[in-house]
Amino acid sequence: DIQLTQSPSFLSASVGDRVTITCRASQGISSYLAWYQQKPGKAPKLLIYAASTLQSGVPSRFSGSGSGTEFTLTISSLQPEDFATYYCQQLNSDSPRVTFGGGTKVEIK
Amino acid sequence: QVQLQESGPGLVKPSETLSLTCTVSGASISSYYWSWIRQPPGKGLEWVGYIYYSGNTNYNPSLKSRVTMSVDTSKNQFSLKLSSVTAADTAVYYCARDKWFGELLYFDYWGQGTLVTVSS
Repeated sequence: DIQLTQSPSFLSASVGDRVTITCRASQGISSYLAWYQQKPGKAPKLLIYAASTLQSGVPSRFSGSGSGTEFTLTISSLQPEDFATYYCQQLNSDSPRVTFGGGTKVEIK
Repeated sequence: QVQLQESGPGLVKPSETLSLTCTVSGASISSYYWSWIRQPPGKGLEWVGYIYYSGNTNYNPSLKSRVTMSVDTSKNQFSLKLSSVTAADTAVYYCARDKWFGELLYFDYWGQGTLVTVSS
């Protein structure tokens, strides 16, 4: 099975900071990766799919990049409402099985 | 506006069967794949499986022997049954709408989630 490893698992940042989260796949997955934001007590929200396509309604300060085994989610200028946990996700088409990364919690510095 | 709403018992006894239903509004259940995803308290996300209106299913191999999903197109609902539950199945269960991009399955709409606790 393809594993997704996110780093860091915890990040402390200030409003206005540029934040980058990395997701590494144990095998190449082309651009078949999605990113989600989850706030406490809420369902995850889709931010990006196909590694870099912004979901409708998501602010442009969010961006995604990468292909193959290394992917990044970048928040260009962190806003108070962005403090949350972020997950990457892919589908292993060989299984097929959906897997999520372990999550990155972004907290206020 | 697409909305999903989970319903079902919040407490299930060990060894019994967990049963949840997701009611979909704003989209036809016959037009998409639909998934269940769960999250144990304080932990990450785990995909349980997906179903298509035709009855085609795909389950997480780690749960496959205990999972059954079904669709009721007349009610625009889909359901999850998880048998022989233990405390490890205690989680918030989410239903979600699936979208495909090539070989990527992702989730664009989610229910609010329902906490199911397994305890005697």
